Order: sequence, then C-alpha cells, then structure tokens
Amino acid sequence: SAVISQKPSRDICQRGTSLTIQCQVDSQVTMMFWYRQQPGQSLTLIATANQGSEATYESGFVIDKFPISRPNLTFSTLTVSNMSPEDSSIYLCSVRDSFSEQFFGPGTRLTVL
Amino acid sequence: GESVGLHLPTLSVQEGDNSIINCAYSNSASDYFIWYKQESGKGPQFIIDIRSNMDKRQGQRVTVLLNKTVKHLSLQIAATQPGDSAVYFCAESAFYSGAGSYQLTFGKGTKLSVIP
Repeated sequence: SAVISQKPSRDICQRGTSLTIQCQVDSQVTMMFWYRQQPGQSLTLIATANQGSEATYESGFVIDKFPISRPNLTFSTLTVSNMSPEDSSIYLCSVRDSFSEQFFGPGTRLTVL
Repeated sequence: GESVGLHLPTLSVQEGDNSIINCAYSNSASDYFIWYKQESGKGPQFIIDIRSNMDKRQGQRVTVLLNKTVKHLSLQIAATQPGDSAVYFCAESAFYSGAGSYQLTFGKGTKLSVIP
C-alpha cells in the first residue's frame, strides 16, 4: 500500500489568511484526491488532483477557494484561501493505485479563529 | 455525493463479543465497496473491500457482507478487542462521467466502543 504524508499535521490560523497543505506519496499513483472532514462528520470529496492540468472540483467547491496543484505523480498541494471559521476541518489527501484500493493520509487538522 | 450527519451512530460491545456494523448505500451503479476504520486523530485506514460480483468476503477477524437487492453492506468483527474502538465508514465506488473517473462516496460512519 502507498505511504502518504501530509504537512502540516495541524495548524491554527487567523481568518482571512491562506494555508497550503502538502501531500507526498512514496510511489507514483494515478489518482490523487483531496477530502474534507468536518468535526464529527463523514468525508466529502473536494476535488480530484490531475497531474499537469486543472483539478476537477465537486459541487460546492471552487478553484478560487481551494486551489490545487499536482506537478507530478507523487505530490500535490491544497490551499485553503481566505479562511473563515467554517473552514475548520480535517483535510485529507487520498490516493488510488492501479488495483482500485484507495488510501488516505493522516490528515491536516485546521482550526480557523 | 456528500454524506452529512451531525451525530454518529454508536455501537457499544463487550470485549470478546462479535460486532456488526451496518451501512446502506444509495447508488445501484456502485460496483466496489470498502470499509475504513478511523481512529481518533488519524486518517481512514483500509480494512476490507468487496466487489459487486461477490456477496461475502472474509479477512482476518473481519467479514464483509453485500446485499445488492436492498443495497446493504455490513462489517462483522469477530472477538472484538479494545483496539477495534474507532469510527467505521463504508464507502461505495462508482464511475462518474462528469469527473471521468471512479469516485468514493462515504457513509455517515458508526462509532464502535469496546467495553473491556
């Protein structure tokens, strides 16, 4: 299985600022995704990070708020822009290998004051 | 799709007993299903999966049952241990033409508490 690391593991930020979360995988993977998990809730897909092209966003999520980069097959970033307290969540990087199994990183716990 | 729930269902079991966690899925086109375990402060951990051409699959101490007729999935944990305490999520995978790829949709989750 792929080993996924995320930086930072947690952060406390002021409203109006932006935070970039990094996701690094130990092997090349076809698909990379970003999810949000609000406190006590399930996981919601934000977007699919596409290598070399713009990410594909789910309904309710837009590029201006959550810009995503994926420069290669092992790395992606998610930026949470112009943060408000409603953005306080766990943000999870996920990858899928060629056998359809999908794995998750440890998450980034974000608190916006 | 987005799963929303303010309160997680909770299942409390005695150590050594068997646990059964249930999940109803929504998309009849889903052809692959996964159970994840999420411990506090960690990301979801893959437990076991099953494809739609099967109705049962067994792993080490875990069994997944799939009933496509009623769109129901269950996870059975044998001889539940304190280390099994976590939130368990089911996820269904289906192809979304808009995205051009398979995507997971997660259930609401069930919190399993094991009583020593």
